[in-house]
Amino acid sequence: RKEVEQDPGPFNVPEGATVAFNCTYSNSASQSFFWYRQDCRKEPKLLMSVYSSGNEDGRFTAQLNRASQYISLLIRDSKLSDSATYLCVVNTNAGKSTFGDGTTLTVKP
Amino acid sequence: NAGVTQTPKFQVLKTGQSMTLQCAQDMNHEYMSWYRQDPGMGLRLIHYSVGAGITDQGEVPNGYNVSRSTTEDFPLRLLSAAPSQTSVYFCASSYSTRQNTEAFFGQGTRLTVV
Repeated sequence: RKEVEQDPGPFNVPEGATVAFNCTYSNSASQSFFWYRQDCRKEPKLLMSVYSSGNEDGRFTAQLNRASQYISLLIRDSKLSDSATYLCVVNTNAGKSTFGDGTTLTVKP
Repeated sequence: NAGVTQTPKFQVLKTGQSMTLQCAQDMNHEYMSWYRQDPGMGLRLIHYSVGAGITDQGEVPNGYNVSRSTTEDFPLRLLSAAPSQTSVYFCASSYSTRQNTEAFFGQGTRLTVV
């Protein structure tokens, strides 16, 4: 079993739709959690950190459930520019980051 | 601010050749790491370093060496290239992984081994 597992996708949604991505992790010692965005043939860039209390940044909402070892990302009112691959990332305090395989989102007109 | 600089951007090697992928950051970050990304997959950790003089293995270290003689530089060496090492390589740095700190990535090196 992979340490970090994401919805396999791909997700194809119309503009304006709400879409949710899920991620689970197996290492209970994990301390930090993130969502990164990766555009085609580009490097990953931080979308948002994920905090225990949940956090929101505009149309994006991230949630963490430590008991279930589960992370989610909700995108509301999808835009064409949201089309990308979304990577779930989990860090341990030992200094290791583990990436999920990513979920690809395509937003269509 | 240059951020994380990787060179080269593209490289073709013959099986058995060796080469070094360069990575430099100018943000005085403690933590640096190397990943490879194969088609349709996430990033897999090759090696990482929590500070100058300290390196450790990640998930897929075989066939690669690293060193961290300075805070700024973290080169990745392919000892004897194999077709299985054809991939996109990303270098990353962050202030620390002990807190919720952002990782900054270089633009990647697309390596083909023939």
